[in-house]
Amino acid sequence: EVQLVESGGGLVQPGGSLRLSCAASGFTFSRHEMNWVRQAPGKGLEWVSSINSGGSAMYYADSVKGRFTISRDNAKNSLYLQMNSLRAEDAAVYYCAREYCSGGSCYGGSDYWGQGTLVTVSS
Amino acid sequence: SYELTQPPSVSVSPGQTARITCSGDALPKQYAYWYQQKPGQAPVLLIYKDSERPSGIPERFSGSSSGTTVTLTISGVQAEDEADYYCQSADSSGTWVFGGGTKLTVL
Repeated sequence: EVQLVESGGGLVQPGGSLRLSCAASGFTFSRHEMNWVRQAPGKGLEWVSSINSGGSAMYYADSVKGRFTISRDNAKNSLYLQMNSLRAEDAAVYYCAREYCSGGSCYGGSDYWGQGTLVTVSS
Repeated sequence: SYELTQPPSVSVSPGQTARITCSGDALPKQYAYWYQQKPGQAPVLLIYKDSERPSGIPERFSGSSSGTTVTLTISGVQAEDEADYYCQSADSSGTWVFGGGTKLTVL
C-alpha cells in the first residue's frame, strides 16, 4: 500500500525556520518525481515545489523561491522541505504528493498524497 | 505569471451532468489534470493528460480539451460528488499552477 506521511509541522515565529519531512513507503520512491503542495485554511491548493526522481532538478513557486529548499534521500525513501524566513502567508497544511506513473511511464499530476502537516506562523 | 481560471461554484441536481471549466493561455500546449477534494481530506487525482482516467476513478468522470479551455464533466452526479474540484497544469519551465477551485454543490 502506498503511503506518504508528512511530519515536522508546528508553530513558528515569523522569520523562523522549519524542516518538513515526508516518509514514503509501498512504492519505488526513486522512480517518482515528488511535490510539495500547500493549502492555507479555507483556501485553494498552491503548488510549492517539485524535485525530479534523481534529485538533480528542483522547481519552486515564486512565492517561496530563495527561502525554501526541496531535497530527497532515495536511500531513506524520504522527501524534505527546508523552510526559512517564514512569513504569516506561509501558514498552511503542507502535503507531499508523488507524480503519477503507471506501466513504466510517468504522466505528471499527483496520484497519491499524504494527509498533510500543519504549519502555523505566528508571534 | 501563468494562471488557470475556474468558476467559484457550480450547482447541479442529482442525476444531472455537471461541467466545470478551467481556462489558461498555456492549456493548448500543456496537459491539464483534475483533482477532487472533500473537506478534511487530501486531493484525489481524477483526470490526467486532459482526458485520461487513472484506474479506480468512476467512468462518470471525464475530461476534455478545446483551445485554452479544459472541462471536467461529471455525468449522473451523485450526492457523494459534492466537493471542491481543482484543475492543474504546468508551464514550460516545469512549474505547476492550480486553478482557484470550484465548489460543486449537489442540490
